[in-house]
Amino acid sequence: QQQVKQSPQSLIVQKGGISIINCAYENTAFDYFPWYQQFPGKGPALLIAIRPDVSEKKEGRFTISFNKSAKQFSLHIMDSQPGDSATYFCAASGQGNAGNMLTFGGGTRLMVKP
Amino acid sequence: GAGVSQTPSNKVTEKGKYVELRCDPISGHTALYWYRQSLGQGPEFLIYFQGTGAADDSGLPNDRFFAVRPEGSVSTLKIQRTERGDSAVYLCASSLTSGLNEQFFGPGTRLTVL
Repeated sequence: QQQVKQSPQSLIVQKGGISIINCAYENTAFDYFPWYQQFPGKGPALLIAIRPDVSEKKEGRFTISFNKSAKQFSLHIMDSQPGDSATYFCAASGQGNAGNMLTFGGGTRLMVKP
Repeated sequence: GAGVSQTPSNKVTEKGKYVELRCDPISGHTALYWYRQSLGQGPEFLIYFQGTGAADDSGLPNDRFFAVRPEGSVSTLKIQRTERGDSAVYLCASSLTSGLNEQFFGPGTRLTVL
């Protein structure tokens, strides 16, 4: 059962543009929603995370928007740079769910063209 | 400080062989997780340790897979009678406690079963 659905699978953005990646979840017990960035040959690195008590969180060029009623959340990368080219994963976890194990989306491969 | 380390970084083995993959979590982190990442997909949960005990092993695909964490720090994932379908990147993550969501990932071990 795919509990976190992510789109698009791939994304090409021009330098300076906005990259937008969307995720939808099914399990209403989820209460933590992180985004991870992964470069080839590396492990996922936490980028930014949000809890459902807020609708938006911003850290530098990265913003998470959260819609609890729709069970959707998205990552916005402002002023996208070639160095942002990587695979991005949304994830979700919930209290009491295997020690807060993460359920990941399928990933979005982002390419930022110079 | 040192992050999560995993050894070996790459492991090539033949079908039917036994392999061990090692994870050294961040010092002081009591929660440890193993995930498996197949090519082009998001990581999938395998097993979670809180201290020395396997608190949840519901993600292990079958009884050929086993993991231990005898002293509550280093963990070893063991795979018996490897199959070609076991080929993937095996990721380890640690968290200060299971009550905190933030998980830090290691670089992974790429397992190839010929």
